[in-house]
Amino acid sequence: DAGVTQSPTHLIKTRGQQVTLRCSPISGHKSVSWYQQVLGQGPQFIFQYYEKEERGRGNFPDRFSARQFPNYSSELNVNALLLGDSALYLCASSWTGMNTGELFFGEGSRLTVL
Amino acid sequence: SQQGEEDPQALSIQEGENATMNCSYKTSINNLQWYRQNSGRGLVHLILIRSNEREKHSGRLRVTLDTSKKSSSLLITASRAADTASYFCATEQYSGGGADGLTFGKGTHLIIQP
Repeated sequence: DAGVTQSPTHLIKTRGQQVTLRCSPISGHKSVSWYQQVLGQGPQFIFQYYEKEERGRGNFPDRFSARQFPNYSSELNVNALLLGDSALYLCASSWTGMNTGELFFGEGSRLTVL
Repeated sequence: SQQGEEDPQALSIQEGENATMNCSYKTSINNLQWYRQNSGRGLVHLILIRSNEREKHSGRLRVTLDTSKKSSSLLITASRAADTASYFCATEQYSGGGADGLTFGKGTHLIIQP
């Protein structure tokens, strides 16, 4: 079975631009979470979606938004990019949205903002 | 913000030796998990221990949890070169309704020398 897939794997943007990152969860998983990992740090929670509804949001500005589609895939959008948005963006899926439980991570999308 | 703090930040041992990593956290939790990350790639779930459990084993891994001290330890026995990676503890906090995601520490970078 395919694991969590993310695209693109690498991308370079300039300050002020907008970016969309995509994630396909493991088949049967209905919950998708997004995490930001800055170099040298642990991942930080951005969003969790379950059954197409936002279930939780971390401490990130409104420039960050996400959505989940009927097939449970998800997109993360970041507007008005700042240099500090440079990071590895990780998507994770899980069976349930009630508790976080075990997460299955994709390989991430590495965003560089110049 | 990071809830967990791993200790040590870096650890270098010889192949075949045991590796112990510690994690401290600040607030009450539902469960604590350990993840491994190879060189900036996706995270791999290792083990989950619930707040009412004190010890758990999985293959060469042993995890302990002391909720009175708000700490956990991960022991890897008979280490192998392939165990070289960063190890993160992650806590799931009690939530009244929404999903707060996992809160990760900064990680311990483990190097196994052949």
